[in-house]
Amino acid sequence: DAGITQSPRYKITETGRQVTLMCHQTWSHSYMFWYRQDLGHGLRLIYYSAAADITDKGEVPDGYVVSRSKTENFPLTLESATRSQTSVYFCASSFREKGFFGQGTRLTVV
Amino acid sequence: TQLLEQSPQFLSIQEGENLTVYCNSSSVFSSLQWYRQEPGEGPVLLVTVVTGGEVKKLKRLTFQFGDARKDSSLHITAAQPGDTGLYLCAGPPISGGYNKLIFGAGTRLAVHP
Repeated sequence: DAGITQSPRYKITETGRQVTLMCHQTWSHSYMFWYRQDLGHGLRLIYYSAAADITDKGEVPDGYVVSRSKTENFPLTLESATRSQTSVYFCASSFREKGFFGQGTRLTVV
Repeated sequence: TQLLEQSPQFLSIQEGENLTVYCNSSSVFSSLQWYRQEPGEGPVLLVTVVTGGEVKKLKRLTFQFGDARKDSSLHITAAQPGDTGLYLCAGPPISGGYNKLIFGAGTRLAVHP
């Protein structure tokens, strides 16, 4: 099906480990985003990308790394996971100021 | 501090009641969007308002964009249990880039039969 696909849907990892969350879009939207969603904070922007090889920090980028070698993929890496990074992560694309979201990855850091 | 402040944070009402949720900012937005999110799913776009003063209707939902493009409201008439969910406003601030979507914290609505 067309849209945003995130993988995995659920992930448990240990403190200090590196973990990568994958995001793939079947369109060719230029803009892609990573958000984290926590109770009381809504969706907070981690990183975004305006095109392949162009990325920029959002509101809460510390501890995260992104890359965008191809337009359709936008992986998010936690370099050394911490408990405070336990959250639900959403990938999104944007076209004509409309956002399209994946189903999310629920990450638990123990 | 959120760039977009939503109120109320929680709303619990009976079926058939009317309600309004608000989305306010001190910044100007080129547009504002409203999303609805259900448990375990990503947000789904309901509407985008672009012009200051614009009013859009989607069945029982009425969306308004403030004249100064700093605030928006969502009014639901005769709420139904199927309206239950998290309502999020979002937008690209004028100063932040055309497509950079910033979200409010959301209003969690529960409609009881």
